[in-house]
Amino acid sequence: DGGITQSPKYLFRKEGQNVTLSCEQNLNHDAMYWYRQDPGQGLRLIYYSQIVNDFQKGDIAEGYSVSREKKESFPLTVTSAQKNPTAFYLCASSIEGANTQYFGPGTRLTVL
Amino acid sequence: ILNVEQSPQSLHVQEGDSTNFTCSFPSSNFYALHWYRWETAKSPEALFVMTLNGDEKKKGRISATLNTKEGYSYLYIKGSQPEDSATYLCASEWVTGNQFYFGTGTSLTVIP
Repeated sequence: DGGITQSPKYLFRKEGQNVTLSCEQNLNHDAMYWYRQDPGQGLRLIYYSQIVNDFQKGDIAEGYSVSREKKESFPLTVTSAQKNPTAFYLCASSIEGANTQYFGPGTRLTVL
Repeated sequence: ILNVEQSPQSLHVQEGDSTNFTCSFPSSNFYALHWYRWETAKSPEALFVMTLNGDEKKKGRISATLNTKEGYSYLYIKGSQPEDSATYLCASEWVTGNQFYFGTGTSLTVIP
């Protein structure tokens, strides 16, 4: 059953703690993306990666970090430098050169 | 960051009604326009990708049109059903980059 999984669905952390959100895909897609959704705003791109061991900043990368050590995995770390980390986070992937992105179910992060 | 706007923000229709909503985007350097359906507690699902001015796409009772010269796309749903209730997102791509820019979505509720 091919797809994109994100875990956990809900995540709670205390202010000042780093937290890592998981994104795994078994679609053999080259490119992977992280988006953030806030109320009243469109999805905004945090980071993307077009190939293993390479990634690029999106529009709102400050306070976030990523790694791409394996094709199927693209974890996102929300660091304590991110001023407003409470949000809904979506991961996506696509075939390189094709323009449809396929999304995971998302993780809702709440920082207390 | 490029502005993609969707209207209306939300819509309530009776079962059987036909409806449509709008996505507008800057037309310069346009590359592609995407429509997604996002049901509550599920992943966004790709509906259409359109690239050429005058493109029309259809999937069952849902269709979309594209005007790249004036920078807008319409999504139509004929004979709305309760299962059509979802948020409909559009995203635009430009030739200058790899990013999608999303609108805030139109939330559709179909009342039985």
